[in-house]
Amino acid sequence: DAGVTQSPTHLIKTRGQHVTLRCSPISGHKSVSWYQQVLGQGPQFIFQYYEKEERGRGNFPDRFSARQFPNYSSELNVNALLLGDSALYLCASSFTGGRRDGYTFGSGTRLTVV
Amino acid sequence: GQQLNQSPQSMFIQEGEDVSMNCTSSSIFNTWLWYKQEPGEGPVLLIALYKAGELTSNGRLTAQFGITRKDSFLNISASIPSDVGIYFCAGQLLTGTASKLTFGTGTRLQVTL
Repeated sequence: DAGVTQSPTHLIKTRGQHVTLRCSPISGHKSVSWYQQVLGQGPQFIFQYYEKEERGRGNFPDRFSARQFPNYSSELNVNALLLGDSALYLCASSFTGGRRDGYTFGSGTRLTVV
Repeated sequence: GQQLNQSPQSMFIQEGEDVSMNCTSSSIFNTWLWYKQEPGEGPVLLIALYKAGELTSNGRLTAQFGITRKDSFLNISASIPSDVGIYFCAGQLLTGTASKLTFGTGTRLQVTL
C-alpha cells in the first residue's frame, strides 16, 4: 500500500509569489492535517481537514489556506510568500483524526523562498 | 507557536548504551506520542500512549505517560547505530471535532561505535 504522498518534494519560490502543495493520504484515511517544520524545530500545526471540512486551524496568518477534495486528497496554499515561510511542509493522514487513529506523515515538501 | 519542552537537546552516546529523554508541558494532553525523524523524511511514529500512568514498550523502546498528563519519557535500551535521528514527543489535544498535535523541540541522538 502507498503511504502518504506529497508533491512536489522540493521547490523554490520568490517572495510575494503563491505556492500550492499537494497531499494524497493513505487509502481509506479521511483526515488530512498540515504541519510546518522550520529547520531545527518540531512541526507546527497549520490545518486539519476531515470529510472535506476544516476541523482545526493553527496560529497561522490568512495567507495560509487549504482544502480537501472528495477523494480525500488535500492542497495547502500559501499566498504572498515571505522568507520566513521557508520550511518543510508535512502532511499527515489518519482515519478520522480521532484519539486512537494514529497519524502517518509524508516525507514533506521542502519550500525555499528567496 | 507552542512547543513542548524536550530534553536533552542532543545526546552523543556509544553503541550499547541506554538513552533516556523526556518531555514536559504546561498543558494536559489526551494522548502522548513519540516520533523519530531522519534526514529528508517525515516523522515516523514509535509509540503511542493513551492514559495517565501507562507504560508501553516497542522492542527496545519504552515510554510512559506521566500521571499529571503533562509529561512523558522515552527510553531506548542497548542503542545501535540505526537509532541515530531526531526524536520528537507530541501531545495530542482533542477539542470538539478538532485534533491537533503539539510537538516538542526534539532530541538529536548520535550513536558512535
